[in-house]
Parts: sequence; C-alpha cells; structure tokens
Amino acid sequence: NAGVTQTPKFRVLKTGQSMTLLCAQDMNHEYMYWYRQDPGMGLRLIHYSVGEGTTAKGEVPDGYNVSRLKKQNFLLGLESAAPSQTSVYFCASWGPTSGGPWYFGPGTRLTVL
Amino acid sequence: AQSVTQLGSHVSVSEGALVLLRCNYSSSVPPYLFWYVQYPNQGLQLLLKYTSAATLVKGINGFEAEFKKSETSFHLTKPSAHMSDAAEYFCAVTPYSSASKIIFGSGTRLSIRP
Repeated sequence: NAGVTQTPKFRVLKTGQSMTLLCAQDMNHEYMYWYRQDPGMGLRLIHYSVGEGTTAKGEVPDGYNVSRLKKQNFLLGLESAAPSQTSVYFCASWGPTSGGPWYFGPGTRLTVL
Repeated sequence: AQSVTQLGSHVSVSEGALVLLRCNYSSSVPPYLFWYVQYPNQGLQLLLKYTSAATLVKGINGFEAEFKKSETSFHLTKPSAHMSDAAEYFCAVTPYSSASKIIFGSGTRLSIRP
C-alpha cells in the first residue's frame, strides 16, 4: 500500500512551457485534491475532484487544468507555465469514512524560470 | 464558510519546555479539526484529529489538542519539547456536512533551542 504518490519530485521549466503532474492513490478514495504551498501562505487549494470524471475549482485555479479519468489518478496540468507558478505542489486524497484524514503525497517542487 | 487562523508564524521553545501552538477556527457548521506536521522537504503527516467525540484529543509523538467550542479554538500542546519536534505545523478545518474541502491555516514553524 503506497498511499499517495506524486511524479515527478522536482522539475524546472522555462516560462511558457507546459507540463503535467501525476498523482496516484491506491486507497480507493473518492476525493482527490491539488494544493500549492508557498512560504507564509499555507496550502491553497487549486482544484479538486469528488469522483472519477468530475473536477471542481478551488481557491486558486487560474493557469491550471485537471483531469480525473481514472479513480486512482488525478492529473494537474500547466499549459503555459509562469514564474508565479513556482511552488511546491501537493496532492491529497480522502476516503468516504466520515472524519477520516486527508492523506498527502510527498510533493513536487516546481521552478519556473 | 470555514477559516482557520494560526497565531504566530514562528514559535521557538527550549528543549524540555512546553509547546503551545495556537489555532482558532471559524465555522458556520460543526467542524472536523486537524493538526498536521510537515518536516523539511516532506509532505504533511496527520498528528491528530477532532471529529466530535472527546474534546481532548491525543495524537502521535506526545501531542494533544483540546477542542473548545466557546473559544472556537483547537490549540496544540506538548508538555516537553524534543529536538525532533522542529517542523512546520498546520491546523485545518472541514465541515461535518461536506468534507469535500479542507481549509488550512498559514502554518507555524516550531524551532527548538538546545
């Protein structure tokens, strides 16, 4: 049981390049989330999904797109990267158990030059 | 709407001293409350959670937190700090009725002085 995994762990992009971050969970969780973490700002929700085939906007969705084609995977895309998207990105998942904790991946450190 | 305020972005205590990290929440419905810890270059790990059972919640590594509805607080404490407790701590809230989102505080960095 690997929990929540993220690939890649690190990435450097040039402004305007695109990339996709992959999140995978093996706990059969319905809910999955993408957060970004910036110094002094805690974690801010980018997008989330309440089930396969569904997505919804979070607090800071601009410049990002997501897809949940399979229940176990949640992809975060940057179509045209900007320096303001330099951040650490965390994926999380949550199961149907009431009050159950969110499980977090180890993070992806992205730098946009 | 839910929100979380963590007082103090940085707290420094001596090894062996009491640790107190403050968290106040705002919620229009009964909340679930969590404390997470993040060690350098790692993801978030659950320390403890409050889900409407006992108001005093015990977590891992000797931490505990008390839910006080009248004060809308969920402060994290540990009687005796250890060097390995140095990390960033996040308080988080989500409503009973719809746990589809979790809202985090801005975090408190805990430093331990030898």
